[in-house]
Parts: sequence; C-alpha cells; structure tokens
Amino acid sequence: GQQVMQIPQYQHVQEGEDFTTYCNSSTTLSNIQWYKQRPGGHPVFLIQLVKSGEVKKQKRLTFQFGEAKKNSSLHITATQTTDVGTYFCAGTSGTYKYIFGTGTRLKVLA
Amino acid sequence: DSGVTQTPKHLITATGQRVTLRCSPRSGDLSVYWYQQSLDQGLQFLIQYYNGEERAKGNILERFSAQQFPDLHSELNLSSLELGDSALYFCASAQGMSNQPQHFGDGTRLSIL
Repeated sequence: GQQVMQIPQYQHVQEGEDFTTYCNSSTTLSNIQWYKQRPGGHPVFLIQLVKSGEVKKQKRLTFQFGEAKKNSSLHITATQTTDVGTYFCAGTSGTYKYIFGTGTRLKVLA
Repeated sequence: DSGVTQTPKHLITATGQRVTLRCSPRSGDLSVYWYQQSLDQGLQFLIQYYNGEERAKGNILERFSAQQFPDLHSELNLSSLELGDSALYFCASAQGMSNQPQHFGDGTRLSIL
C-alpha cells in the first residue's frame, strides 16, 4: 500500500539554527499538506501544495513539492523555541484517503 | 480554537466494552475525518464522511464504525474494545470533499484498562 515516510524522525537544534524535514511517498501524490502538532495539542494546518515543483513561503518556513510529486520538504530558517512540535506531511494519491507521514519531532534548545 | 468540538475529552473503560465518540465539525464544513493516534505515533486515517455519505475508508477495523448525521455531526463507535485500542482519536473537518485544509478537534483520549 501507499506509504509516506519522513526523515529525520527526531531533530534537536540550537535556537537560531536551520531545520529541514523531508517527506517521501511511494506513489505520486495529488497534493501534499503540512501540519504542525505541538506537544499535547492537535495537528494544525500549515499549507497545501498542489503543483509539481511548487515552492511556498510563510515567514521563516519554506515548503517545496518535488517535480515528480513524490516528495516534499519543509525548511525552517533560524528556528525559535515556538517552532517546537511534530511536523507531519499528508498526501492523497487519486483517492480521498489521506496518508499522513511518520512525522518529525523538532526540539529547539534555547 | 479550531471550531471542531469533540466529546468526551477522556474516556476510560474496560476490554470488551463499547464506546461512542462524538464530533461536531466547524460551521459550514461538510467533510468529517476520523484519525487514530497511538502514543508517539503518527496519524492513522480511519474514515471520511462528506455530507452524510461515506467517502473514503482507511485502516478502520471491523469492530469500528462511524456515521455522519443530517446535522453533520459524526460519531465513531468502537466495540469489543481491546487494550491496543487505547489511543487519541481525532476528528477533523473540511469544507469540501477533498484537497482542503483539515481542521482538527482536541481529540478524545481513550484508555482501555
């Protein structure tokens, strides 16, 4: 079945350092969404990418969708303690079923 | 506040029992999704309803069932509960049928003793 893997599983960074998480699907995706889940909280929608090669920015966050629409990345510039949480990608591939990635847990050390 | 309401927040029950989790979507949203999140795990998609009709099924066990009512609220029924069913169950809602941002509730934490 379709799988969506994220790497790394965990990342500890010093405040001010950059952070990147990668999302890889075994099948071509129709679109990809990114969510952030704070410890003890619920997932919160960040962004959706639809087009091949699409790049979107939200302040310090940059999201990319691969040319083949099988991978995506989220890059955070100059991390802050408020960036702490688990980042999930989620995609669909021609069906309505959303497959969530395994998540990357980010810890930011002040 | 996402606008999605889930009740109850916590549920403690025993193996073999049956429980019902309830979700009220955001005003105007027609889709409801159910997810299971085990400790330190990712989100497993269970099922989606759109305007009262089942749209997609994920890894939902036969012991689990769901429905969406005419007022668009949804219920997830879990029966013959096992220890492994202990998890956080999230409901999310979205405006359309697909490719829409999902807005998650705070979840129901189910503990099976």
